[in-house]
Amino acid sequence: AQSVTQPDARVTVSEGASLQLRCKYSYFGTPYLFWYVQYPRQGLQLLLKYYPGDPVVQGVNGFEAEFSKSNSSFHLRKASVHWSDWAVYFCAVSMGTGGYKVVFGSGTRLLVSP
Amino acid sequence: DTTVKQNPRYKLARVGKPVNLICSQTMNHDTMYWYQKKPNQAPKLLLFYYDKILNREADTFEKFQSSRPNNSFCSLYIGSAGLEYSAMYLCASSRGTVNQDTQYFGPGTRLLVL
Repeated sequence: AQSVTQPDARVTVSEGASLQLRCKYSYFGTPYLFWYVQYPRQGLQLLLKYYPGDPVVQGVNGFEAEFSKSNSSFHLRKASVHWSDWAVYFCAVSMGTGGYKVVFGSGTRLLVSP
Repeated sequence: DTTVKQNPRYKLARVGKPVNLICSQTMNHDTMYWYQKKPNQAPKLLLFYYDKILNREADTFEKFQSSRPNNSFCSLYIGSAGLEYSAMYLCASSRGTVNQDTQYFGPGTRLLVL
């Protein structure tokens, strides 16, 4: 069955440090992959999305993600974290023909320390 | 404007009573979705409308109803709330149902059933 695993429920990073949030997916076929972010008291917002092509995808606010078919991964990275990045990050995969069904991971809560 | 609105933001319901949640979007999107999210879990798709056609997930088929009186509005209806329905309910919309379509999310309605 298709699934998305975010192995880290919570990650703490110092402001200015680099960040990697991990995402592993299980899907037989060509995946379309997304990272969404949920800031406090707001809805989920798209950070970036991947569809077949360049494995490194640039997103908003300095975020990027790299698709690896061999590792079934789509990790999110940022070179220098800002306090405003404090949020919950969701990895998701779109599956199947029609593509309506997006399967989400359980999310990683990013805490930024001063 | 990429806003999806949800009303109410917070809802308190009694066990056995009905609950009706409202979602609206002004992006003229064809597809509207309802997800259920519980703490530390992934958002779970409950149902979606593509235009006027309702699609409900098999495992929640009998628990949730929905209506879409026009393109902009979509409701989620629970006929008889149980304690297990306590969760955040997220509404989203997208232009279509193709794999790479971005879903735009509302801020959610937090439902507490007592």
